[in-house]
Formats: sequence, C-alpha cells, structure tokens
Amino acid sequence: QVQLVESGGGVVQPGRSLRLSCAASGFIFRSYTMHWVRQAPGKGLEWVALISYDGSNKYYADSVKGRFTISRDNSKNTLYLQMNSLRAEDTAVYFCARALGYGDYSSAFDIWGQGTMVTVSS
Amino acid sequence: QSVLTQPPSVSGAPGQRVTISCTGSSSNIGADYDVHWYQQLPGRAPKLLIYDNNNRPSGVPDRFSGSKSGTSASLAITGLQAEDEADYYCQSYDSSLSGSVFGGGTKLTVL
Repeated sequence: QVQLVESGGGVVQPGRSLRLSCAASGFIFRSYTMHWVRQAPGKGLEWVALISYDGSNKYYADSVKGRFTISRDNSKNTLYLQMNSLRAEDTAVYFCARALGYGDYSSAFDIWGQGTMVTVSS
Repeated sequence: QSVLTQPPSVSGAPGQRVTISCTGSSSNIGADYDVHWYQQLPGRAPKLLIYDNNNRPSGVPDRFSGSKSGTSASLAITGLQAEDEADYYCQSYDSSLSGSVFGGGTKLTVL
C-alpha cells in the first residue's frame, strides 16, 4: 500500500546536525513533489520545505532557510532532510508528506508518514 | 502567529453542525490559492479531509464540506459524532513566502 516511513530522529545537542529520511513505497515516488512538515510539542503544524519531483526546485520556510537542506534519491525512493545548526526551537515531530497528484506547489498533502521526533537539548 | 487564522476551539453536541473558519490575506487565500483541510487525532499524523476548497478524498464522509470566499474559507461538519473530536487545520499556499502555510489549528470538542 501507499506508505511513507520516516526515520533518523533522536536527541541532539544545540548546534549539532541530524539527517532525517523518509522511505516511500506503493507509488511512483519520482513523479511527486514532496514536503517536510513539523509539529512542536503541543503546537500546530508548520511547513518546513518542499522539493520538486526531480529535485530541481527546493523551497524552505524562513525559520529553517540556510540551516536545513531537503533532497531526494529517486533511485532509492527516499526523501531526506539534512538539519544543521540545530536549535531548541527545532524540537518537533517531523512528518514527510506527498503532494496530491502531479499538481503545483499549492497542492494538498494526501499521504503523510507517521512522523519522527527530533529533540534538541543539551 | 500563524499566517492563516483559525479559532482555537469549537464545540457542539452530537448530531449538530459546526463550522471552522480560516482567514488569510491577499497573498494566500485571497490570491486564489486553494484551501485544504486536515484532521489530526491525538498522537496521529494529519489526515487530508478536504482538498481544493471543497473536494473530499475517497473515504471521507459527506458530513464534511468546505467552502471558500474572498480571503477566507470554512470547514463545515454536520451530524457531529464523537469520533469527530480532533484538531483541524487549514492550509494554503502563500506567494510572498513561496511555500505552504497552515492555520494555527482548531480543537473540536463533541459535548
């Protein structure tokens, strides 16, 4: 079935780095725009970044621009989020999500992973 | 402070109808970008409820409906059921931010 599974979360000290992965299955991964969305404990959803189907276009929320990098390996059906210079305010559950259809960047997110928790603390 | 504004909470008795508003601006909803709605149960990932303002994915009951006008959108839930108790989020695209934006979320309580 169509599925996204995140991994790579954990506890990390401020200023350090972490790489999240999102393994896709059950659909043609290389055809879809993909997103990362996060949710701080007890808070709402915050869009983090998107990458086009072929990796040629990437956009970021201002809160992570210059620190996070989104990428994908279509041969491995995997989405990544490289997080550098982590801060306490980056503590959140990170979800990967698929854009609905083959639409533009304003499309809905129709498939979500279960999320992976990232805790930034000394 | 979220770019899209939702009421923090709404409530209703079983069987009643409730609406959740989502107010944006001229760079997102008002710029004719579509609005999408998600339901999030405690400890779970969000689930797409309404896409492109008023479309339901397969499997979503027709008790859920969406509308959009000007710089605002609304989610309506009729025939409230206990299992509808959840957090609801609106989402759109913002041209000035070049990315998606979410509302702050609305907690629905079924009395």
